[in-house]
Amino acid sequence: AQSVTQLGSHVSVSEGALVLLRCNYSSSVPPYLFWYVQYPNQGLQLLLKYTTGATLVKGINGFEAEFKKSETSFHLTKPSAHMSDAAEYFCAVSGVHGANSKLTFGKGITLSVRP
Amino acid sequence: GAGVSQSPSNKVTEKGKDVELRCDPISGHTALYWYRQSLGQGLEFLIYFQGNSAPDKSGLPSDRFSAERTGGSVSTLTIQRTQQEDSAVYLCASSLAGQRNTEAFFGQGTRLTVV
Repeated sequence: AQSVTQLGSHVSVSEGALVLLRCNYSSSVPPYLFWYVQYPNQGLQLLLKYTTGATLVKGINGFEAEFKKSETSFHLTKPSAHMSDAAEYFCAVSGVHGANSKLTFGKGITLSVRP
Repeated sequence: GAGVSQSPSNKVTEKGKDVELRCDPISGHTALYWYRQSLGQGLEFLIYFQGNSAPDKSGLPSDRFSAERTGGSVSTLTIQRTQQEDSAVYLCASSLAGQRNTEAFFGQGTRLTVV
């Protein structure tokens, strides 16, 4: 069984400030971890993913996330927020094989960026 | 096509009517997912198809919901006797599940409004 917890539903930062969106997961098998972004009235787009190997993963638009097994976390960061980063962000977990390979999403976090 | 295609993009139906939502996955993708996104509920998993295996229907909210995938490609989600609480955006995604670098690609969704 797998689950994802994204604490809080809304984060607001100033333009140029650090963005930190938290994600904790639970998985009975080695996890694959994902962050997706959804802009208003659009579908979901993959930001980055962790499967195996290097635990610090870099994605598009300057985002990165670090897989910390001991903390069961996969927090998303960006050093300097841009107005265009305003969107909803979803963390997701999956396994690799069979029934475990379906994606399980967190409830999402809305990021607002203040001028 | 290059991406996951869903139709219709918008559907307004009267309470009690049946609706069919269609998903054309990316060619060659063996896994297909349906999710429901409603205000405040995040992404709710509905059903998962993987190759020729029996689908994982554990997320279907009631027996009014069903889905099929013909020939391992196109999928149809059917909602019978629609209720107002069925109003949501229904998202379809496909992936090469079981592959290390797999990524789920999402369609733009079908916005269902039950009046």
